[in-house]
Amino acid sequence: DAKTTQPPSMDCAEGRAANLPCNHSTISGNEYVYWYRQIHSQGPQYIIHGLKNNETNEMASLIITEDRKSSTLILPHATLRDTAVYYCIVIRYNQGGKLIFGQGTELSVKP
Amino acid sequence: NAGVMQNPRHLVRRRGQEARLRCSPMKGHSHVYWYRQLPEEGLKFMVYLQKENIIDESGMPKERFSAEFPKEGPSILRIQQVVRGDSAAYFCASSPAGVNYEQYFGPGTRLTVT
Repeated sequence: DAKTTQPPSMDCAEGRAANLPCNHSTISGNEYVYWYRQIHSQGPQYIIHGLKNNETNEMASLIITEDRKSSTLILPHATLRDTAVYYCIVIRYNQGGKLIFGQGTELSVKP
Repeated sequence: NAGVMQNPRHLVRRRGQEARLRCSPMKGHSHVYWYRQLPEEGLKFMVYLQKENIIDESGMPKERFSAEFPKEGPSILRIQQVVRGDSAAYFCASSPAGVNYEQYFGPGTRLTVT
């Protein structure tokens, strides 16, 4: 599976957009980009995923570059409740069900 | 629709005892995954089960750990003869039929070995 690189930490002001980058320069054509987050001590929460098109749901937007070597998760109006560790995971669809979590980005939303 | 349920939420065991962690998947979900998070470390996959079958146990320690997902009832993660290094948060996730990476996680069981 492609490795991912994320900044270890980021800050964001409440009400502003939070843009979380992820590099996956070795991604293959059949690999998806998934995003999860873990709010302190809770179970991880699925956010969004995509293959090559940009995706949006009620939680976030996912922007994948044309060459697919990087992506950005956007939380349009961050709140204090969005403070969490965000994980970008690249998955080959036939690898089986396991998720392989890296170190993620610790996002702190500040008032 | 109730989410994934795990119990107990906190479990304290003395070294050498057995720990049994239970996971009830979301209604309609037939796939269960167990992950472990050691203190100050990331989440690590342990095992993937469907009803009555272990699909992938590549992350399970070879000794003392076992998992099952019977036809009826919750999935059970069993740790025999616990040691201090087993102290961790154990998370269960479930998904509907088919290989699925949209997994719904439970609140976890915090195991403390004294």
